[in-house]
Amino acid sequence: AQKITQTQPGMFVQEKEAVTLDCTYDTSDQSYGLFWYKQPSSGEMIFLIYQGSYDEQNATEGRYSLNFQKARKSANLVISASQLGDSAMYFCAMTAAGGSYIPTFGRGTSLIVHP
Amino acid sequence: DGGITQSPKYLFRKEGQNVTLSCEQNLNHDAMYWYRQDPGQGLRLIYYSQIVNDFQKGDIAEGYSVSREKKESFPLTVTSAQKNPTAFYLCASSIPGTGRFITEAFFGQGTRLTVV
Repeated sequence: AQKITQTQPGMFVQEKEAVTLDCTYDTSDQSYGLFWYKQPSSGEMIFLIYQGSYDEQNATEGRYSLNFQKARKSANLVISASQLGDSAMYFCAMTAAGGSYIPTFGRGTSLIVHP
Repeated sequence: DGGITQSPKYLFRKEGQNVTLSCEQNLNHDAMYWYRQDPGQGLRLIYYSQIVNDFQKGDIAEGYSVSREKKESFPLTVTSAQKNPTAFYLCASSIPGTGRFITEAFFGQGTRLTVV
């Protein structure tokens, strides 16, 4: 079975600073994908970044990067130069063959960016 | 523009009533999912379908039913058997993964259901 753990219910960061949101995962599959989504107060789920288990380079998308440490089974999201608009819930998710490629989500981290 | 449309955005239900949440996608995705979101619980899988005319129970299927008669549509019915239906419901779709080919899920805007 797949499992995603996000241990930070809430995080605070000063505007323009970097912040790391933690995510650990558990799977016995060799092939899997890791995702981060942003959910603002409106409720929509916005896809941010993807990391495949076979990718050797950490994924980056603009101000978002994914710190992928396979041996530790962690996939932390790093947001550089935080902006007020980054305040939202952030969810880590995984799909894997053993789970029929159905996305499994963590409980989320609430990020608040202070001016 | 391709995407997923959920309706209505807000829904109020009296106790004992069945209600149906609509989910339509024009992304040509085979796989569709329904999730329930409660504060502090993350997204929990209710039902999923990976092909037309077939669907499977997720982790919290009790009190819910679905159908998948068309590729584009995956409606969710919240029945009177669901004891605590007040929640935010999200529909998603994706291209089914195979081997190393894995893509992200796309989500609708969600339906907020409240029992009154």
